[in-house]
Amino acid sequence: DAGVIQSPRHEVTEMGQEVTLRCKPISGHDYLFWYRQTMMRGLELLIYFNNNVPIDDSGMPEDRFSAKMPNASFSTLKIQPSEPRDSAVYFCASSSTGSREKLFFGSGTQLSVL
Amino acid sequence: AQSVTQPDIHITVSEGASLELRCNYSYGATPYLFWYVQSPGQGLQLLLKYFSGDTLVQGIKGFEAEFKRSQSSFNLRKPSVHWSDAAEYFCAVGAGKLIFGTGTRLQVFP
Repeated sequence: DAGVIQSPRHEVTEMGQEVTLRCKPISGHDYLFWYRQTMMRGLELLIYFNNNVPIDDSGMPEDRFSAKMPNASFSTLKIQPSEPRDSAVYFCASSSTGSREKLFFGSGTQLSVL
Repeated sequence: AQSVTQPDIHITVSEGASLELRCNYSYGATPYLFWYVQSPGQGLQLLLKYFSGDTLVQGIKGFEAEFKRSQSSFNLRKPSVHWSDAAEYFCAVGAGKLIFGTGTRLQVFP
């Protein structure tokens, strides 16, 4: 298996632009998590899905952030409009029922908002 | 409130020396506890986990951790560190939804 695949690896954009981050979980995994990592706040859980349904989005910072999972093999995290304080590394992770705390992480998307 | 504290931001050890990374947690119920490792430019990888039973758990890469309920701690240990162990280490607590500590960066000198 190729593991969790995230794209792009790096994204540089200007303030006010829309940003879309993509994630392909490991096949057969039914949990998907979006985390944000910054020096100041560490790893923060933004949202997670089970069977494509959002279960907990309490970590989503504000309405500018949205996440979707249209099918079992694809999820997006969108920021519109983006702001410089959104600059961070965004990780997607997946896991399976019965071992849902064993997260498999992607390599992350380094987002820089200028 | 659930939380994880890793008091050491940065630790430096010599190759071959022993290692202990500290982790304290606050959790309302019996905790599920984890240690993850992150190499530069990579996502996190699970080292070991504690759910129940024996309080000393073994993980990959020669790491172990001990759950001490009385101290609300779950410290990570390795008897002899290798240069390839240099990375950032995260302690986490939770069930389904993991709460991560802020991490400890390990530097290994030859």
